[in-house]
Amino acid sequence: QVQLVESGGGLVKPGGSLRLSCAASGFRFSDYYMSWIRQAPGKGLEWLSYINSGGETIYYTDSVKGRFTISRDNAKNSLYLQMNSLRAEDTAVYYCARDYCTGGVCYEDVWGKGTTVIVSS
Amino acid sequence: EIVLTQSPGTLSLSPGERATLSCRASQSVSSRYLAWYQQKPGQAPRLLIYGASSRATGIPERFSGSGSGTDFTLTISRLEPEDFAVYYCQHYGSSPKYTFGQGTKLEIK
Repeated sequence: QVQLVESGGGLVKPGGSLRLSCAASGFRFSDYYMSWIRQAPGKGLEWLSYINSGGETIYYTDSVKGRFTISRDNAKNSLYLQMNSLRAEDTAVYYCARDYCTGGVCYEDVWGKGTTVIVSS
Repeated sequence: EIVLTQSPGTLSLSPGERATLSCRASQSVSSRYLAWYQQKPGQAPRLLIYGASSRATGIPERFSGSGSGTDFTLTISRLEPEDFAVYYCQHYGSSPKYTFGQGTKLEIK
């Protein structure tokens, strides 16, 4: 079945780095745009970044621009998020999501279960 | 940047009742770009409604979306026990690509 599984979360010190991965299965990964979204403890959803199917078009929200890098490997059906210069406020559950795009609009129609990142000394 | 404001923050209702959740945009948006998600505790969000009024695959008919311009509504016609959750509206735009509302918690009265 269609599935996304995130990994790579953990405890990291402020200023440190972490690389998240998202393994896709059950669908043709190379056909879809993909996103990363996070949720701080007890808070709402925050979209972080989006990459098109070929990896040429990328967007970031302002709070992570210059610190986080999204990438994908279509041969490995995998999405990545390289996170550098981590701050306490980056503590959150990080979700990857499939973007279903049609007619110039996209929706996140499949989500992984998330991986937890804790930034603390 | 579009800001989405959801109301109420918390809605307390009983199973069988009708729920009406509101999402207001800071400026007029195309209804094509408005979606709703449901999130249960400890779970990932799930797409409910896209294009303001189209149900996603597998979503029961008791869920419906409506609205245009700046005002959008998610209605659950008769609440089932599994419907108590947090609901988010979302706008697909240009910068940032996606904006979420702050959420409405639907709790059992």
